[in-house]
This record gives sequence, C-alpha cells and structure tokens, in this order.
Amino acid sequence: SQELEQSPQSLIVQEGKNLTINCTSSKTLYGLYWYKQKYGEGLIFLMMLQKGGEEKSHEKITAKLDEKKQQSSLHITASQPSHAGIYLCGAEIGAGGTSYGKLTFGQGTILTVHP
Amino acid sequence: KAGVTQTPRYLIKTRGQQVTLSCSPISGHRSVSWYQQTPGQGLQFLFEYFSETQRNKGNFPGRFSGRQFSNSRSEMNVSTLELGDSALYLCASSGGQGGYEQYFGPGTRLTVT
Repeated sequence: SQELEQSPQSLIVQEGKNLTINCTSSKTLYGLYWYKQKYGEGLIFLMMLQKGGEEKSHEKITAKLDEKKQQSSLHITASQPSHAGIYLCGAEIGAGGTSYGKLTFGQGTILTVHP
Repeated sequence: KAGVTQTPRYLIKTRGQQVTLSCSPISGHRSVSWYQQTPGQGLQFLFEYFSETQRNKGNFPGRFSGRQFSNSRSEMNVSTLELGDSALYLCASSGGQGGYEQYFGPGTRLTVT
C-alpha cells in the first residue's frame, strides 16, 4: 500500500466551485509539500507545511497540516480553469538521515475545471 | 534567479544502451535529488547528493547511478537500458536561503525502444 494516500484520485468541478484534496499518512510527517504538475512537465512548488496545525494560503489555495501531522488538505476556493492539473502531495517520512532529500509522493489528484 | 534546468528534455535510446542526464540546480542550492515518474509507479526517489556526496538512495538497481560536481550540478546515468526505464526523470534542488523546499526542473523524457 502507498505510504501517502491522496483522495480523491480525480475531481471534475464547474468553474467557481470550491474543492478539497486530502493527503493522509500512517506515519508522522516531518515536512509536507504540495505541488502542481501539468502532464509531462515538472512540478510547480505550491506550499510547504512543517508544524502541526499550520495553515498557509497563496491566492485562492489554502493548505493545512493537522495537529498530529499525519494528514494535510489542500483547498481551492472559487476554482478557475487555470487551476486544472495534477496535484501531488510529497512528504518527508522519517526523521534524520533517512529522509535526506527524499520526498515520498502520493499518487496525485487529477483536477479538471469546466468553464 | 534562474530555475532548475535539465538537459536534454527528450531522449530516445535503444535497449542495452546507456544514458546520462544532467541537472543544474538553482544558484546557491547544494542539494540535488533525482526522481523517476511513471504512470504505474508514480514519483519515486532515486538518490540525493549534497556537496558531491550521495546522502540518500532509493530502491533502484545499481544500473542507476549519479554524481555531483563542485558547482552542485548533477548527472545521473542509467546503464544497460531496459524498456521499463522509459519515464520522466525529474531533478529537484534545495538548500538555499529559503530552506528545505525542493524546486523541480522540467524533466527529461526518456523513451527506451
């Protein structure tokens, strides 16, 4: 099974609707990253969360890391076609040297926004 | 500031050949990580280099290797290519003043025929 589970796997919404993507781990997360990817291209860094309870926002995107640091959510308000793409959560799982430069990724959520 | 660059962007090789991919990190970043992305396995960590030393390695066979130069540029090499090595290879750099965020390059699309 995946160390990092994302849900849903795909999402189709009408422009203007709000949506949430979840990322869950069975282990403590030492750093949680959200990225966006256009198919076949590189990953665009969105946000990084480290502290339990932390919440960050950028434009219409808000990410939270729960108190126990085992789940994160990404919320998009008033979605636009430009939000379409693949959203990936990546995390440092395991402290110290075992996680040097290593992010474990979820399988991704494909977001489609219909105008 | 320029982002992470990867060359070449696209590559077609034949089974049994070897290939070298290059990654130039963001200026000031000293850590470079490599990932393989495939439709079936998703994004998987290959290895990470910091100050010319490999600090971490994923679960890939020894055919996959890498190195880092004194200017932090990194290369990865895959020898004896197999069809299953067809993938998007991504590198990411981190370790600048911003901290630990990993910033990714556009990737190299490798097709093995």
